[in-house]
Amino acid sequence: DQQVKQNSPSLSVQEGRISILNCDYTNSMFDYFLWYKKYPAEGPTFLISISSIKDKNEDGRFTVFLNKSAKHLSLHIVPSQPGDSAVYFCAASALLGPGRSGGSNYKLTFGKGTLLTVNP
Amino acid sequence: EPEVTQTPSHQVTQMGQEVILRCVPISNHLYFYWYRQILGQKVEFLVSFYNNEISEKSEIFDDQFSVERPDGSNFTLKIRSTKLEDSAMYFCASTRTGIDNYGYTFGSGTRLTVV
Repeated sequence: DQQVKQNSPSLSVQEGRISILNCDYTNSMFDYFLWYKKYPAEGPTFLISISSIKDKNEDGRFTVFLNKSAKHLSLHIVPSQPGDSAVYFCAASALLGPGRSGGSNYKLTFGKGTLLTVNP
Repeated sequence: EPEVTQTPSHQVTQMGQEVILRCVPISNHLYFYWYRQILGQKVEFLVSFYNNEISEKSEIFDDQFSVERPDGSNFTLKIRSTKLEDSAMYFCASTRTGIDNYGYTFGSGTRLTVV
């Protein structure tokens, strides 16, 4: 079940350059997309998100682009810094409908991650 | 900054034994989750919990798994009889609403090793 795919297991860039991480999805019910960063021995840390009604969201050095027709999103990091070196996970969310206990019932479906290495 | 706390950070257990993984979500959050990551694989959803009940669970979350919020602060995952394939990093997460602009807040995880 690969509803969210990150086809590049690793990416290496030079400090100061742009890092572009890609993600494809298959489920058209996904309505929210998130990027998480993960260091070894730590939990995923939220980075940036985008709603399906937008095509771009920017936060400082991080920009996420969403192409709904292609079911593709990308994360741009400009300029890349050595401290950005980590595993980046793409995640997608869909409202499942009210759960048995009520509330807004979502779950995240993650890609396998891309290891980004930024070289000084 | 508020954080989700998980204990222990590493648990080693013998196959067939019961384990309880503990989590303290952020205090004003209402939705709680368990995810796991088997080494080299992707992070997978296990269960969501809201209003003191399970909202949704994956096929991984079989009868050997249970969750509980025994008091106002802790959220636990119990594996009744561990198997070798349960070895993984287990992440607890919480959020105030079902989803928001800040995603979920994850804990640092518990590495479970079943021997």
